[in-house]
This record gives sequence, C-alpha cells and structure tokens, in this order.
Amino acid sequence: SQQGEEDPQALSIQEGENATMNCSYKTSINNLQWYRQNSGRGLVHLILIRSNEREKHSGRLRVTLDTSKKSSSLLITSSRAADTASYFCASSAGYSTLTFGKGTMLLVSP
Amino acid sequence: DTEVTQTPKHLVMGMTNKKSLKCEQHMGHRAMYWYKQKAKKPPELMFVYSYEKLSINESVPSRFSPECPNSSLLNLHLHALQPEDSALYLCASSQTSGGGYTFGSGTRLTVV
Repeated sequence: SQQGEEDPQALSIQEGENATMNCSYKTSINNLQWYRQNSGRGLVHLILIRSNEREKHSGRLRVTLDTSKKSSSLLITSSRAADTASYFCASSAGYSTLTFGKGTMLLVSP
Repeated sequence: DTEVTQTPKHLVMGMTNKKSLKCEQHMGHRAMYWYKQKAKKPPELMFVYSYEKLSINESVPSRFSPECPNSSLLNLHLHALQPEDSALYLCASSQTSGGGYTFGSGTRLTVV
C-alpha cells in the first residue's frame, strides 16, 4: 500500500508567509521523517518524529504527528526564497526502509 | 565527514554499454541504499545493503547489479539499459538502528 501521501501537491507563497504541508500514511509506523530536495538533487534530512511524539521543532520547522489519524504536518515559518524545493515525508515501520510520499513542491516568491 | 559522495554526477550511456555508479561514505553507517527517482516522482527503493550484505532487492531487473566491496563503498553496475532507465540514481546511508538517511547528490543517468 502507498505510504506517505502529501498534500498539497504544489504550494505557492510569498516570502515571510508560513507554509504547511500534510502527509498521510496507511500502516503503523516507528517514525516519520521529512526531507527537502532542491531541483532534482539529493534529499536533505530535515526532521524525524517518533511514533510516541506528537510535536517536534527544529529552527523554523515544526512537525506534528497524529498516529490516530495516521497523519503528519510540516510547518515552515517565515518562509524564504531559499526554501523553494520539493518536500517529501517518509515513513518507517520498525527497522524497515523508508517509504516516500509523492511530495509537495513549494515555491516561495520574493 | 558527514557526506555521501556519488560519482559521476552525470552519465550518458548507450544501450549496449557497461558502466558503474559509485557511492562512498565515511560516517560508519552500516546500511546503504540505492534509490531511483524519475522526474516529479518520489524516490523508489532499489537495493538495501546491511553490513555489506544485500538484504533487500525490490524486484529490480538484472541489468542493474549492486555491489558492496566494503563498509564505505557501494557500486551499481549497469549493463544493457533501456531508455526508460533514464533517471536520477540516489545513494543513501544510515545507521542500521533506524533514523535519518544521508543522501548523496545523485547521478543523473541518460540512456540513449
């Protein structure tokens, strides 16, 4: 089954605004991770939230996890043009490998 | 060293060629991965190596042949590829206990 479906597929905002991306998954997870990818290059690990955590912060990033709804959200506050990228959630069950969602393309305009 | 290094960055090969993609990390990660990514799609897992042994092969065609010579190196040997194999090939590594992956910047492969 497909894990990690993000929405929206694309998001366009102005600098200084907040960006929120959502992710849903279908099976029980050990942790959920968010990655950023610039222009088809390598993925950069942003943040990991474990199944027993509900919220986590890292700089301008805030991630929430609702295991009852099998969903997660990534909030980027005070966005910058440099945040323009594709963002993927990825779920991990036990010690299994990551399964990536379809991703959200974020465009931040100056 | 906190990087995964992939070479080459770009590769164009004919359908009868044999080429290899290389991946190297010195973070002591004992799990290494190959992913394939088509344009505007998420990465798809191809192979997983754990402690230098192949642990997962996601039904990848035999024209892709992985190799893990030691704990720092991962190769992907390519032979008789098809144009539809053109994609970004990503290598990643992680601790075997789980956690975040460190990705290389990828090899952009074009098969002509």
